[in-house]
Amino acid sequence: DGGITQSPKYLFRKEGQNVTLSCEQNLNHDAMYWYRQDPGQGLRLIYYSQIVNDFQKGDIAEGYSVSREKKESFPLTVTSAQKNPTAFYLCASSSGGTANQPQHFGDGTRLSIL
Amino acid sequence: KQEVTQIPAALSVPEGENLVLNCSFTDSAIYNLQWFRQDPGKGLTSLLLIQSSQREQTSGRLNASLDKSSGRSTLYIAASQPGDSATYLCAARSSGSARQLTFGSGTQLTVLP
Repeated sequence: DGGITQSPKYLFRKEGQNVTLSCEQNLNHDAMYWYRQDPGQGLRLIYYSQIVNDFQKGDIAEGYSVSREKKESFPLTVTSAQKNPTAFYLCASSSGGTANQPQHFGDGTRLSIL
Repeated sequence: KQEVTQIPAALSVPEGENLVLNCSFTDSAIYNLQWFRQDPGKGLTSLLLIQSSQREQTSGRLNASLDKSSGRSTLYIAASQPGDSATYLCAARSSGSARQLTFGSGTQLTVLP
């Protein structure tokens, strides 16, 4: 089945630790996105990438980093600089070319602080 | 900056009722608007996408409308079922930043059997 796989489902971070969230897609989509969702709120864009080896900051990029070395993969690192990392993180992808294609989402990773 | 609002935050209806979920946006220069469903602890499932040139889209018991001039979209669910219980989010893609979506905070729907 084609889709987006996020791992792990649950992740715990210790003080001062960097953690990396995985996102892999087999939809052959050019564009990939990372969102953060806090309880009772909508999603906020962290980073997005339209093509391999290129990415842009979203609205809340501080304390996060990404890479896009392969079309299928867009990992997100939550660094120790992110002081409030507890949230639900969602990865999405869409086909490239134009912006009129829907975004498809993974099942998310829930990150908590120990 | 685009802002998207969904009211009410929560809604309970008896099974079989027809219902309307509301979404409003501040910047009418949108590229398209997308409706999603989110089950607890899960990701988002795309339901309908309406292009700026369209007035509505239909899929099964779902119908989404778009009125750019008034900055509003509605999601109509016909003959609701308990399985429709979920949080429904709308997201607008503004023309100025073609690949970024601005999300509302969602309406949590409960359909009572």
